[in-house]
Amino acid sequence: EDQVTQSPEALRLQEGESSSLNCSYTVSGLRGLFWYRQDPGKGPEFLFTLYSAGEEKEKERLKATLTKKESFLHITAPKPEDSATYLCAVAPNDYKLSFGAGTTVTVRA
Amino acid sequence: KAGVTQTPRYLIKTRGQQVTLSCSPISGHRSVSWYQQTPGQGLQFLFEYFSETQRNKGNFPGRFSGRQFSNSRSEMNVSTLELGDSALYLCASSQRVLDTQYFGPGTRLTVL
Repeated sequence: EDQVTQSPEALRLQEGESSSLNCSYTVSGLRGLFWYRQDPGKGPEFLFTLYSAGEEKEKERLKATLTKKESFLHITAPKPEDSATYLCAVAPNDYKLSFGAGTTVTVRA
Repeated sequence: KAGVTQTPRYLIKTRGQQVTLSCSPISGHRSVSWYQQTPGQGLQFLFEYFSETQRNKGNFPGRFSGRQFSNSRSEMNVSTLELGDSALYLCASSQRVLDTQYFGPGTRLTVL
């Protein structure tokens, strides 16, 4: 069965304090790995899609990387507006997306 | 381009009733997926439609059903509501199957 595990569950950062979120997965044939950001009471907002090991994508203060077993979301010099829950999802061969439980990031000014 | 829209945004029902939720995908997107999000189980895949055909289904009972219309709009129906059906129901659309999915704001369903 496909499994996605995100760590840590929660992360409290000081503004400017860089950190990384982890998403480890076991899946039958990875078609893609997705990162989303979700604010309370809203739908997930798309951030990145990664398709193969070694791939990296960047957007503002966020950078996502992918290996054969895990993905990292690096947050560089975060600001309070980066506070959100970050969700990782994997798409196996049948493309039934499996989501991790998420990492809730709180950035204090 | 307008994003994915879902109606209604909030809904309160009682046990035993049925409910229909609606989703309008991004213009040009032909694939629509539905998810249930709860604090305990997280985001769980319900089903996916492409060109009016159900292409994939998650592990939910038959009380959960859906359909897609020729204009790609989709509806999901839950019959004989149970307290455990209280959740945020999210719809996501993509241009094609296997493309990145974009989510709507969700419908918050409360079952009393």
